[in-house]
Amino acid sequence: GNSVTQMEGPVTLSEEAFLTINCTYTATGYPSLFWYVQYPGEGLQLLLKATKADDKGSNKGFEATYRKETTSFHLEKGSVQVSDSAVYFCARSRGTSYGKLTFGQGTILTVHP
Amino acid sequence: EPEVTQTPSHQVTQMGQEVILRCVPISNHLYFYWYRQILGQKVEFLVSFYNNEISEKSEIFDDQFSVERPDGSNFTLKIRSTKLEDSAMYFCASSDGSPETQYFGPGTRLLVL
Repeated sequence: GNSVTQMEGPVTLSEEAFLTINCTYTATGYPSLFWYVQYPGEGLQLLLKATKADDKGSNKGFEATYRKETTSFHLEKGSVQVSDSAVYFCARSRGTSYGKLTFGQGTILTVHP
Repeated sequence: EPEVTQTPSHQVTQMGQEVILRCVPISNHLYFYWYRQILGQKVEFLVSFYNNEISEKSEIFDDQFSVERPDGSNFTLKIRSTKLEDSAMYFCASSDGSPETQYFGPGTRLLVL
């Protein structure tokens, strides 16, 4: 079946450090890939997405590239801020019209000043 | 910016009671979803709804669960007889004609005692 695996957290960084959160997915069908972010006390917000191989999604300084050869969609940011502290979820669609999402387990990111 | 809203934000109920969780999807969206997240676990798909009927449901979505779109704006999840293991955060999501991109509400935290 479809699954998504994220790196274990929590991740703790200092402000302006480089961030990578690893995500891999099972290579069934032609999924779209997503990163969602959940700030404290809030719901899931779409951060970025990529719909086909080699696409790069980007938003708010975050980037992720759809790598079919390694079945990965790692999230990166060159310089994190305290306000980036949140839980990050990687997700894949099923690749069909109804778009059921399968999520990774989430990675808690804490950024210290 | 349009957003998905959910009420209540928190609900405490006794085991065996019925609960109704309410969602107002983004107004021009056509596809609607419920997910849940048990504390410390992954976000899990429950059900998708399109054209006034269920399009897909997971094995979690048994006979105790039902969904309804009673009017042009609300989308509800009913649990007929709650169990302790139904305690979770429940997220509603909606999408437009690009069904793989889903927008989530802030969630309802349900606690069954």
